[in-house]
Amino acid sequence: GAVVSQHPSWVICKSGTSVKIECRSLDFQATTMFWYRQFPKQSLMLMATSNEGSKATYEQGVEKDKFLINHASLTLSTLTVTSAHPEDSSFYICSALAGNYGYTFGSGTRLTVV
Amino acid sequence: GQQLNQSPQSMFIQEGEDVSMNCTSSSIFNTWLWYKQDPGEGPVLLIALYKAGELTSNGRLTAQFGITRKDSFLNISASIPSDVGIYFCAGIGGSQGNLIFGKGTKLSVKP
Repeated sequence: GAVVSQHPSWVICKSGTSVKIECRSLDFQATTMFWYRQFPKQSLMLMATSNEGSKATYEQGVEKDKFLINHASLTLSTLTVTSAHPEDSSFYICSALAGNYGYTFGSGTRLTVV
Repeated sequence: GQQLNQSPQSMFIQEGEDVSMNCTSSSIFNTWLWYKQDPGEGPVLLIALYKAGELTSNGRLTAQFGITRKDSFLNISASIPSDVGIYFCAGIGGSQGNLIFGKGTKLSVKP
């Protein structure tokens, strides 16, 4: 089956620093990947759609300069939270569209900004 | 924008009982998906539905794609403790074909 690997699974960082989260498709190529944010006891909210070789498409209300997305290859998309603040603390999840396997999700990254 | 109304929000049941949850929308969806999310993990696909009226099973799970394409339900039969988690419905539709999630149903099972 299709596997999406997300790293790191959790990270704690100081306020004002930047954090990079990686999302890799292990056994398939993903021209499109998606980044979600999930607050405790809430559903997944789409932040942006990452397109290989082109700029990401951000959902309304998501700051593109704060959440930098790079999709430089068919198997890797990265989300960088720049100048992180405590309100950025959340669970970030990536997914990729994997042909017949549909939307496959990574295991998520728990970001805590202190 | 498109929204999914998922109910119930939470359920507390006894082991062995059957469970039913559903999602409705005012918009039409082309695909309905049901996911389960364990704490600290990403969602895992349980069942995918592609045609209106489709009824699909996966072990003790059964899901149906409503005829109107605006609703779907998920049933779990003979629940067991490992069924505990949050279940999300998700729909694919609209011009961009984005995946839209319901708010989730938290299932608790008492042994």
